[in-house]
Amino acid sequence: GQQLNQSPQSMFIQEGEDVSMNCTSSSIFNTWLWYKQDPGEGPVLLIALYKAGELTSNGRLTAQFGITRKDSFLNISASIPSDVGIYFCAGRNEANFGNEKLTFGTGTRLTIIP
Amino acid sequence: EPEVTQTPSHQVTQMGQEVILRCVPISNHLYFYWYRQILGQKVEFLVSFYNNEISEKSEIFDDQFSVERPDGSNFTLKIRSTKLEDSAMYFCASLISNTEAFFGQGTRLTVV
Repeated sequence: GQQLNQSPQSMFIQEGEDVSMNCTSSSIFNTWLWYKQDPGEGPVLLIALYKAGELTSNGRLTAQFGITRKDSFLNISASIPSDVGIYFCAGRNEANFGNEKLTFGTGTRLTIIP
Repeated sequence: EPEVTQTPSHQVTQMGQEVILRCVPISNHLYFYWYRQILGQKVEFLVSFYNNEISEKSEIFDDQFSVERPDGSNFTLKIRSTKLEDSAMYFCASLISNTEAFFGQGTRLTVV
């Protein structure tokens, strides 16, 4: 099956630092999504990307859909304590909504050191 | 803001017992999903459901699993005879045709 590898697996940063994580795939996706998961909670959508090369921002978060359609990155600027959690990329083969499963990445655990 | 609701939040069951995990998707959503996350691992697709039938299922979703939308509001996942390796967080998700999936908060299933 399709594999999504995220790196790094974990990050320990100080508050105020910028964060960068990426996701690479063995095959092409037509949609890339980034989710955040807090402990004991379900994934919450942060950013959705629908076009190769697309760069999208959501507040302090910026994500890009790689030109090859096999990778994506997520940047968080000026991290704050509530950014702590696990970040997952997810890919979908179809550009259309609905009736299409998501393949999730392996996750990046972000910890902020006081 | 509308949300996907899952019950119970935590279920403990003995190996071999049947469990039913319940989900109330967002009311006007049409596509429904179950995902599983074994502790510390990634989220894995189990099954998608549309128009009262399964659209796609993964290799994890074997004959022990079934899904149902019995009354137009609930969406359930049944595991007929639980195994130890079924212990995981189970997430329900739903979407309408012009949104990405909204996930519920999950049910933690512990099989002992």
